[in-house]
Amino acid sequence: QVRLQESGPRLVKPSQTLSLICSVSGDSITRGGDYWTWIRQLPGKGLEWIGHIYYSGTSHSNPSLQSRTTLSVDTSKNQFSLKLRSVTAADTAVYFCARGFAGGRWFDPWGQGTLVTVSS
Amino acid sequence: EIVLTQSPGTLSLSPGERATLSCRASQSVKTFLAWYQQKPGQAPRLLIYDASNRATGIPARFSGSGSGTDFTLTISRLEPEDFALYYCQQRSDWPPITFGQGTRLEIK
Repeated sequence: QVRLQESGPRLVKPSQTLSLICSVSGDSITRGGDYWTWIRQLPGKGLEWIGHIYYSGTSHSNPSLQSRTTLSVDTSKNQFSLKLRSVTAADTAVYFCARGFAGGRWFDPWGQGTLVTVSS
Repeated sequence: EIVLTQSPGTLSLSPGERATLSCRASQSVKTFLAWYQQKPGQAPRLLIYDASNRATGIPARFSGSGSGTDFTLTISRLEPEDFALYYCQQRSDWPPITFGQGTRLEIK
């Protein structure tokens, strides 16, 4: 059974970089067909797809965030990562990682999510 | 960007009743549509993918239908644990992958 767990700083200062890691257990991140995904949920609002990465390093990002987003994967640690640069208070959200199966179309399972607050 | 509009915003029903939730896309997504359930403090859970396929472990009372721009999630007989937030999501024209704004299913 695949499990995902987000980790990283819960508080980030404005203009700095938000950095999160998703650790995958129960299966290899190099299993073909799966895209490893980041999704966020702004406070009291809906869900926003940030982007995803394949184990080979191929990635796609939301055009609205692409200029500030870096996705990476570490197959030796079975982890993938998100960096979001130049954050503002508008980036305060619960950040989820998830397995995107069927070529990244659908998300299952999800990590429990981590609230990241952008504040000085 | 494809916009998904869910209706109603809030649905008030009693256990045992039938729930019908709608998701309308701003352009055709063929059958590239999924439904998720989210309870307070939890991550979303995949219920339905490819418009009508139940995910692993999802009870048979959940069903999805539709294609093109109009989709429906039906819960045949509501159980107490079904009262939650529901989101639809498309991956037809992307990036970006997009979600609807959600329907809250509350106990009447």
